[in-house]
Order: sequence, then C-alpha cells, then structure tokens
Amino acid sequence: EADIYQTPRYLVIGTGKKITLECSQTMGHDKMYWYQQDPGMELHLIHYSYGVNSTEKGDLSSESTVSRIRTEHFPLTLESARPSHTSQYLCASSEVGGPGELFFGEGSRLTVL
Amino acid sequence: RKEVEQDPGPFNVPEGATVAFNCTYSNSASQSFFWYRQDCRKEPKLLMSVYSSGNEDGRFTAQLNRASQYISLLIRDSKLSDSATYLCVVNRQNRDDKIIFGKGTRLHILP
Repeated sequence: EADIYQTPRYLVIGTGKKITLECSQTMGHDKMYWYQQDPGMELHLIHYSYGVNSTEKGDLSSESTVSRIRTEHFPLTLESARPSHTSQYLCASSEVGGPGELFFGEGSRLTVL
Repeated sequence: RKEVEQDPGPFNVPEGATVAFNCTYSNSASQSFFWYRQDCRKEPKLLMSVYSSGNEDGRFTAQLNRASQYISLLIRDSKLSDSATYLCVVNRQNRDDKIIFGKGTRLHILP
C-alpha cells in the first residue's frame, strides 16, 4: 500500500476564501505532483516538485501555488477560491531513479460555492 | 498531437469477453510504461508495468512494441469488476523525467 495522504478529502467553501490542500508521503520520495481532474475527464498536471525548494508549473495553468519545504509535504494553496476551482485535486509521488511508478493519494474534492 | 494517445472509448462489452486496449506514444526517449486503472471518483492505481518482453498477471497481459511505439493491454474473461477507466502512462526518465498520462479509455462490462 502507498503511504501518501491527502486532507481534507472533501471541502465545501465559499467564494473568496483561502484554502490549503495538504499532501504528505512517508516513502521518502523526492518527486511529488499535483493533478486536477474533473468528473469523467482526463488528469491535468498543475504542479510538480523534484525535491525540497523545487517547484514547477505543470501543463495546465492554475491559480494555485505550492511549496516544498520538507520532503514529505507538498501543500497546495488557493488564495481566493472561485467556483471555477471546483474539481478533484490528486497528489502523487514517485522515486527519482526508480521504475517511474506514481503513487496517488485518495484525492481532495473541492467545491466552491 | 498528444504525446500519449489511447482509444477514445467507451467500450461496452459483455461479461466474459476479451477486451484489448491500445496506446501509442510519440517520444522515442520514453523509458517506462504502465497501465493504471481508475474507478469512478477514485484515484488512479497501478495495474501493471509494461516490459519489452511482455508480461502477464492473471487475466491481464501487457505488451510493448518500442519500434512501433505502441503499448497494449488485454483483459481475458472480463468480469463486472473490471469496469473502470484504463490509463496508459509513459515515463521519459530523461533529464526532465516527465510522466505523461493518456486520456484514458472507459470500460463498461455488461452483465
């Protein structure tokens, strides 16, 4: 079983609020990712990190920001949530130099009213 | 053109049938290949890695053709529980070590 955890699993929040989605992994993986996925649609990479103090934007432009101060944590923040941010956010990690398998958290489903 | 292309689906097949998924990738530098399964409203989970020699896990067989840049997944004797979206995943594992997901092919097994 993968040891990667996301909180909260579900969040319903009003427009304009600041939110942080937490992601933690205990596998010591250097690489971490955030994907955004709408129901029935494909995964879109929005952020990734190669290690501490490394963050990169993904293929899909996102108003969210990320930080990587510790290897095990990769939180995602939205400073001012909007209804267009309603989606599922999936965190994942992989091992540098490993076979390339991604381990996913269970996801955070965000609804902005 | 997308870097990883899959059959658009959905596939609706009767229980017990054999199902074949196809995937092509455009970057010849790609090194690792995987099939993931994603159930509705759940996270993707690794189904199997794909090796050049081909590999089998029970009812599932994956094959890779590097010359054609083509990956396949075969499900034999399909079960109702096989209903899910199947994602083809390619990892370049070069300098940028980028992992590319296909859009996925949805499978419905009909009783």
